[in-house]
Amino acid sequence: SQTIHQWPATLVQPVGSPLSLECTVEGTSNPNLYWYRQAAGRGLQLLFYSVGIGQISSEVPQNLSASRPQDRQFILSSKKLLLSDSGFYLCAWSGGLGGGDQPQHFGDGTRLSIL
Amino acid sequence: DQQVKQNSPSLSVQEGRISILNCDYTNSMFDYFLWYKKYPAEGPTFLISISSIKDKNEDGRFTVFLNKSAKHLSLHIVPSQPGDSAVYFCAASGQGAQKLVFGQGTRLTINP
Repeated sequence: SQTIHQWPATLVQPVGSPLSLECTVEGTSNPNLYWYRQAAGRGLQLLFYSVGIGQISSEVPQNLSASRPQDRQFILSSKKLLLSDSGFYLCAWSGGLGGGDQPQHFGDGTRLSIL
Repeated sequence: DQQVKQNSPSLSVQEGRISILNCDYTNSMFDYFLWYKKYPAEGPTFLISISSIKDKNEDGRFTVFLNKSAKHLSLHIVPSQPGDSAVYFCAASGQGAQKLVFGQGTRLTINP
């Protein structure tokens, strides 16, 4: 069966520090991969998605970047964190073939607090 | 521009009764609609979905209804159980793309 791992579960970082969050998927190949952010009291906002190695689409302008160095690895990064980067970050995957009928499956998220 | 809206931030229902969660959308190009359930400090879990060519999909205690003319969908949970207490998100995707647009979520509380 497919599993998705996301770490760390919680992270406290000072303003201006770098960030690297990692997500890996097991049990499937060529998945679509996604990074979302949920701000307090808000819905899930899509930040980045990737349909293949090295292919990244950004949905909103921001202080973050994403990379996909391997088929089942997705990394969210920042060179200098801002206070507004605080939130709950979620990684998700879905089947690489097919259309909108393939649900996305989420990791357990990373709670990021910027001080 | 919020394309998917859940206008009720919270809902409280007696155990054993029906829970009805509502969602409205504005983009007529959406062709799949999904419901997710989320517990605190966990990622959302997929519950049920419906294609825009259908008006109802049922899976056990969960039924999703779609009214395309009203651009409205609802999730019915019957009977409601204490373990159903969670935040529920509706989401939509369109034209074969697997990007999802999420609503803000509704916190459901099932009272014993």
